[in-house]
Amino acid sequence: GDQVEQSPSALSLHEGTGSALRCNFTTTMRAVQWFQQNSRGSLINLFYLASGTKENGRLKSTFNSKESYSTLHIRDAQLEDSGTYFCAVVNTGNYKYVFGAGTRLKVIA
Amino acid sequence: GPKVLQIPSHQIIDMGQMVTLNCDPVSNHLYFYWYKQILGQQMEFLVNFYNGKVMEKSKLFKDQFSVERPDGSYFTLKIQPTALEDSAVYFCASSLEGQRGSDYTFGSGTRLLVI
Repeated sequence: GDQVEQSPSALSLHEGTGSALRCNFTTTMRAVQWFQQNSRGSLINLFYLASGTKENGRLKSTFNSKESYSTLHIRDAQLEDSGTYFCAVVNTGNYKYVFGAGTRLKVIA
Repeated sequence: GPKVLQIPSHQIIDMGQMVTLNCDPVSNHLYFYWYKQILGQQMEFLVNFYNGKVMEKSKLFKDQFSVERPDGSYFTLKIQPTALEDSAVYFCASSLEGQRGSDYTFGSGTRLLVI
């Protein structure tokens, strides 16, 4: 089946710094969606991409379908950015997203 | 933005009893989904639903599970009978277009504990 790998599995950032989260998949995917799961367990939709790059505030995401990966960049990290970040991908001819195992981000003061 | 509502947010039930999880999807969405997440781990696909029918289900969607959306009301997941391993958070999602692509909107989940 489709495989989705996220890296790193866990990450600590000091406030004000940034990093990139990676999502690799085994076959060409039609689209990717990134979510943040907060401490209450709610899934917050960050980005949906079928191609290219999107930016929203301190977050930016790219989707490279040819090379089968997507990235989520966080800059100027804040304490409220802590949580688990999931990527989910969907294949052509498919009606379901497959999730990665997530990156657990902790932002420290 | 538009929201998916899940009722109840928490449910505790005795093993062997029936439980129904309710989902009120985004009003103009056509595709509906259930996912299962155990202890903050990976989100696992259970089932998708379109035009009154199940399109695809995973191995996690046991015979004791069923879904329906009678007359455009709640999209429900019923488990009968429940087992201890059914304890998890169940997320409902909806989307406007399935195959041609659009983002999913997820609910906040129903935390089910089977005792």
